Amino acid sequence: GAVVSQHPSRVICKSGTSVKIECRSLDFQATTMFWYRQFPKKSLMLMATSNEGSKATYEQGVEKDKFLINHASLTLSTLTVTSAHPEDSSFYICSALRAGQGSYEQYFGPGTRLTVT
Amino acid sequence: AQKITQTQPGMFVQEKEAVTLDCTYDTSDQSYGLFWYKQPSSGEMIFLIYQGSYDEQNATEGRYSLNFQKARKSANLVISASQLGDSAMYFCAMREGPNFNKFYFGSGTKLNVKP
Repeated sequence: GAVVSQHPSRVICKSGTSVKIECRSLDFQATTMFWYRQFPKKSLMLMATSNEGSKATYEQGVEKDKFLINHASLTLSTLTVTSAHPEDSSFYICSALRAGQGSYEQYFGPGTRLTVT
Repeated sequence: AQKITQTQPGMFVQEKEAVTLDCTYDTSDQSYGLFWYKQPSSGEMIFLIYQGSYDEQNATEGRYSLNFQKARKSANLVISASQLGDSAMYFCAMREGPNFNKFYFGSGTKLNVKP
């Protein structure tokens, strides 16, 4: 099956610092990657859609300047939480759509737990 | 309006019995996809089953089947012969949009399988 990795799996940072989370598709090319945020015992909230070589599309209410997304290659997308604050603490999950027609399934990464102190 | 509604925050089922997790959706698109995912306590999202809006047959994957009722806009997940390892959060999701790249998740159902 298709594998998506995320790094780091856990990160603790101080308020005001920036944190970068990587999402990689290990054995397939992903033209589209998604970034989700999940609060404890809550559903996944789509933050943005990342397409290789173009600007990310952010969902309403998600600050573009705070959550920087870069999709530099067909196997890597990064999410940078800039000037992090305690309210940014959450579980961040990425997913990837396999390139090619007829692909409907998104493959999820294992998630990154961010704690901002 | 909610795109995906899961009305059961928590469910209990006896081991080896079948259980149905409810999901209703809201869309005006003709072409869309419906998914069910399992999220154990470890946090990973595990794909279970997919139903396309044009698929006439209900999807099945092993012990999982999707009861697709298009007119009612419902896509319930049926798990047969429940196992202890089925205890987890279950999310219903929908994919729609002009580029088929909008995903929406329901609030989830916590399933507990009792021995």
